[in-house]
Amino acid sequence: GAGVSQTPSNKVTEKGKYVELRCDPISGHTALYWYRQSLGQGPEFLIYFQGTGAADDSGLPNDRFFAVRPEGSVSTLKIQRTERGDSAVYLCASSQTGGGQETQYFGPGTRLLVL
Amino acid sequence: QKEVEQNSGPLSVPEGAIASLNCTYSDRGSQSFFWYRQYSGKSPELIMFIYSNGDKEDGRFTAQLNKASQYVSLLIRDSQPSDSATYLCATASYNNNDMRFGAGTRLTVKP
Repeated sequence: GAGVSQTPSNKVTEKGKYVELRCDPISGHTALYWYRQSLGQGPEFLIYFQGTGAADDSGLPNDRFFAVRPEGSVSTLKIQRTERGDSAVYLCASSQTGGGQETQYFGPGTRLLVL
Repeated sequence: QKEVEQNSGPLSVPEGAIASLNCTYSDRGSQSFFWYRQYSGKSPELIMFIYSNGDKEDGRFTAQLNKASQYVSLLIRDSQPSDSATYLCATASYNNNDMRFGAGTRLTVKP
């Protein structure tokens, strides 16, 4: 079946602009995660959804970052007033029901560059 | 101190050799341990997971876990040039919903 998909694959924006990054998880997966990966680093947790609700948003760096998953499937990560330090690869992952023992499957990522 | 530590490498081994990748973690509540492979410019893909102390083998890959020492390793036997990638170690606990990743070890297998 289809894996996790993310759009756009690349996004270039100017400092101060607003961006939206989209994630379409594996069909039937109720758990969805957003991570951010900077060059030379491992993925860093941002937010976890269980169904439609954000069960854990403790990784969001500040209030410029927000994510939604209104129908429990597709999720959008929103970044307001982008800063150059927001440049990174934003990865989305999904798992069947959530929980520490489940395998998370990653999408291809969105490469965000803030000029 | 980072929660998950890995030697960044690069680790270089000749084709056919055994590659040994190591990882230590600080959270004693960690219950699940994962090894992901990440090719340059690509997303992480799961290689193996391990939950119990000891060894777990899958083809050319063996994961080893020692919870007392808070140590996880991945052995790759008969290394191939196609194994050249960054290997990410990740941990998870029952209480956390996220995985904690190390920075990764870059492996190069030379023909």
